[in-house]
Amino acid sequence: DTEVTQTPKHLVMGMTNKKSLKCEQHMGHRAMYWYKQKAKKPPELMFVYSYEKLSINESVPSRFSPECPNSSLLNLHLHALQPEDSALYLCASSQRDTGEGYTFGSGTRLTVV
Amino acid sequence: GIQVEQSPPDLILQEGANSTLRCNFSDSVNNLQWFHQNPWGQLINLFYIPSGTKQNGRLSATTVATERYSLLYISSSQTTDSGVYFCAVAYTGNQFYFGTGTSLTVIP
Repeated sequence: DTEVTQTPKHLVMGMTNKKSLKCEQHMGHRAMYWYKQKAKKPPELMFVYSYEKLSINESVPSRFSPECPNSSLLNLHLHALQPEDSALYLCASSQRDTGEGYTFGSGTRLTVV
Repeated sequence: GIQVEQSPPDLILQEGANSTLRCNFSDSVNNLQWFHQNPWGQLINLFYIPSGTKQNGRLSATTVATERYSLLYISSSQTTDSGVYFCAVAYTGNQFYFGTGTSLTVIP
């Protein structure tokens, strides 16, 4: 079992819906990440949180809104998505400064209809 | 941005064979990792290797940062080694960017 837990595993949502993806880790890591992965492509970095503060936003559209309520939790709020946003959304955590110990969750497979 | 190219893109091996996967990157980096993504999508960290050589069982990795490449060696391959292998690089700290990947299929 992975030490980074993502829920839900699968999500189907309409273009007018609002939904949230959740990620939780209890390894004491102080850096957490969201990645997006399309089929047969590498993961693409979306957001980086260090010590619960957003440090990197890779020009992600505002319909994706991250939130880090505490050092163990990371959320990704979704609103007014497009069908092209359908993908595997991966959460990861690591030691803050070096990225050592990078651990991924099993992902949320999102389908926008 | 940095370009991270992996070769070969696809590889089919007979069980028991050895292989070498390569990762080339276009700029100086401070950190590099290798990951394996299994057929169910789970990404597993294999090596954190900004420089030098490391070994873990049948796998080993070498990074020559000054020449901007890293190699992943798989010996005595098994069907469970199938999946996609990614290298990921970072200029500084923890902001990693993934390479193009090598898709490995090991047949019995």
